[in-house]
Amino acid sequence: AQSVTQLDSQVPVFEEAPVELRCNYSSSVSVYLFWYVQYPNQGLQLLLKYLSGSTLVKGINGFEAEFNKSQTSFHLRKPSVHISDTAEYFCAVSDLRGSNYKLTFGKGTLLTVNP
Amino acid sequence: ETGVTQSPTHLIKTRGQQVTLRCSSQSGHNTVSWYQQALGQGPQFIFQYYREEENGRGNFPPRFSGLQFPNYSSELNVNALELDDSALYLCASSLKLAGATDTQYFGPGTRLTVL
Repeated sequence: AQSVTQLDSQVPVFEEAPVELRCNYSSSVSVYLFWYVQYPNQGLQLLLKYLSGSTLVKGINGFEAEFNKSQTSFHLRKPSVHISDTAEYFCAVSDLRGSNYKLTFGKGTLLTVNP
Repeated sequence: ETGVTQSPTHLIKTRGQQVTLRCSSQSGHNTVSWYQQALGQGPQFIFQYYREEENGRGNFPPRFSGLQFPNYSSELNVNALELDDSALYLCASSLKLAGATDTQYFGPGTRLTVL
């Protein structure tokens, strides 16, 4: 079974500052990796995904993430955040072994961008 | 292209009642997954439907059941509601082809409150 640990439950930053949201996973098999964002009272929106190939993945809204297999990490970064980036961010893994590719999520990181 | 839609948006039930939640998948998708997101937690996989059959199930009791229809829309049914069933229920659709599956795209969710 796989698991996801998001190391910070809350990350407060000032507008235009850089941010990194940390994610570590545990799995005995290869996985796909995802970051989703959830704005208040809304569903999940896909930010970016790693399936294979280049370990640096670029997503929407200026976010990027780097897959590090040796450290089993998939940290999310943005060089300069905006007030509108305030939201809950979820890291998720999908096990390549099964046929349903169910997503296992972390508990989320609340990013709060202050003016 | 129509995204994933869910109905109703909000629902209030009392303990012991039954509830049905509905999901329309994104155009061109053939697979629907359901997730439960308790307050302050990441989503948890309930089950997935593909070709109108259950294709994998998470750690949820049998009183959680589902259906998928020929147009790929889906229902989640929960019998004998308990207080702990209060949560945001998320539906995600994806396209499964030749043993692989693409990214899951989420709907806005149904907020269920059990009193």
